[in-house]
Amino acid sequence: EVQLVESGGGLVQPGGSLRLSCAASGFTFRTYWMSWVRQAPGKGLEWVANIKEDGSDKYYVDSVKGRFTISRDNAKNSLYLLMNSLRAEDTAVYYCAREVRLGAARPFDYWGQGTLLTVSS
Amino acid sequence: EVVLTQSPGTLSLSPGERVTLSCRASQSMSSTYLAWYQQRPGQAPRLLIYGGSSRAAGIPDRFSGSGSETDFTLTISRLDPEDFAVYYCQQYGRSPLTFGGGTTVEI
Repeated sequence: EVQLVESGGGLVQPGGSLRLSCAASGFTFRTYWMSWVRQAPGKGLEWVANIKEDGSDKYYVDSVKGRFTISRDNAKNSLYLLMNSLRAEDTAVYYCAREVRLGAARPFDYWGQGTLLTVSS
Repeated sequence: EVVLTQSPGTLSLSPGERVTLSCRASQSMSSTYLAWYQQRPGQAPRLLIYGGSSRAAGIPDRFSGSGSETDFTLTISRLDPEDFAVYYCQQYGRSPLTFGGGTTVEI
């Protein structure tokens, strides 16, 4: 069974840092692109970043470029999101999601349950 | 950036009704790169449709997707009580990947 379990969320002061983790199991992690998606309280979904199977390519939404870093450890079946210079507007539930290749399509077929980050003084 | 605009924002319907949700893209795109997700309260999103019209594994055939270029739709042929949720479209053809703002289907 495919499982994605996020951890590392919590309360952080503005300007602070935090690292989120996502533990993957039930599939060959090193063969999938992975993404982070966030959802502010009561709001819609926002894609944050993704990373290629071997970690060689990474992409970010403009609002987090230069502040967030996505990475992975294929030996540990884990995905990470290092977040620096946190702002109140980064407050959200952060989901990790698996990107599945279906022909030319690459939608998100499995999602974790999310971890809540609150940025507040 | 491809902006996706979903309409309407909220729909109030009854079980058994047919519903069509709209997703309009700010620029022409291939339906290959369009997906739909369902999110129930307190849950993670669930993939319903990918490639514009292909149902994901385990998704009932009352869900269907269609569209091309800038206009895409998700149709639920007969609403089941478990279908009352928020629905999002997503494009994954161009970075940044983007989601629509969502449509809430409520009783």
